[in-house]
Amino acid sequence: DARVTQTPRHKVTEMGQEVTMRCQPILGHNTVFWYRQTMMQGLELLAYFRNRAPLDDSGMPKDRFSAEMPDATLATLKIQPSEPRDSAVYFCASGSDLQGFNQPQHFGDGTRLSIL
Amino acid sequence: GDSVTQMEGPVTLSEEAFLTINCTYTATGYPSLFWYVQYPGEGLQLLLKATKADDKGSNKGFEATYRKETTSFHLEKGSVQVSDSAVYFCALSDPGLTGGGNKLTFGTGTQLKVEL
Repeated sequence: DARVTQTPRHKVTEMGQEVTMRCQPILGHNTVFWYRQTMMQGLELLAYFRNRAPLDDSGMPKDRFSAEMPDATLATLKIQPSEPRDSAVYFCASGSDLQGFNQPQHFGDGTRLSIL
Repeated sequence: GDSVTQMEGPVTLSEEAFLTINCTYTATGYPSLFWYVQYPGEGLQLLLKATKADDKGSNKGFEATYRKETTSFHLEKGSVQVSDSAVYFCALSDPGLTGGGNKLTFGTGTQLKVEL
């Protein structure tokens, strides 16, 4: 089965360091989503792309977070500088709306981020 | 705006008990509805979906029926197993949203614990 691949799976770093998380969407999918999951806030949508163009990043703290899709096979989420409150599991998901809005999103296994 | 409301968890059941997890929604357009499951340490996986009124989605013994008159999509299973212990998320995709993309609106998730 095709899968969304996220790297790294785990990341521990110190406050102030830059963190880059990567996502390889499923081949042929044209939408990519970044989510953050914490116990307190649950699942939050940070940003999403359609055909590599950003559609909505209103859920993302603009001062330190950035999301890009350099090409159709790679999406990145960067945090600079990182803070302890950024500790969470970050999920990438991909999907396709080329056949309508009833197609599901497919999730990666996430990057578990700990900022010390 | 769109929203999904799920029953609070955790839900604790004995093995072979009947499961119902309630989900209701509000949407601008005519949404597609989904149930996702998240096992510990993993990403969300699509469990089932329904795309129009009175459709029944089913998978792995789980079922949910799209009820437009009550704006509900309750998840049911006749006999749960310990291996069903997970967090279950109800979600909708609304074609009435502008901008394209199959963005999902998620509920807060319901944790299910099944005991022997």
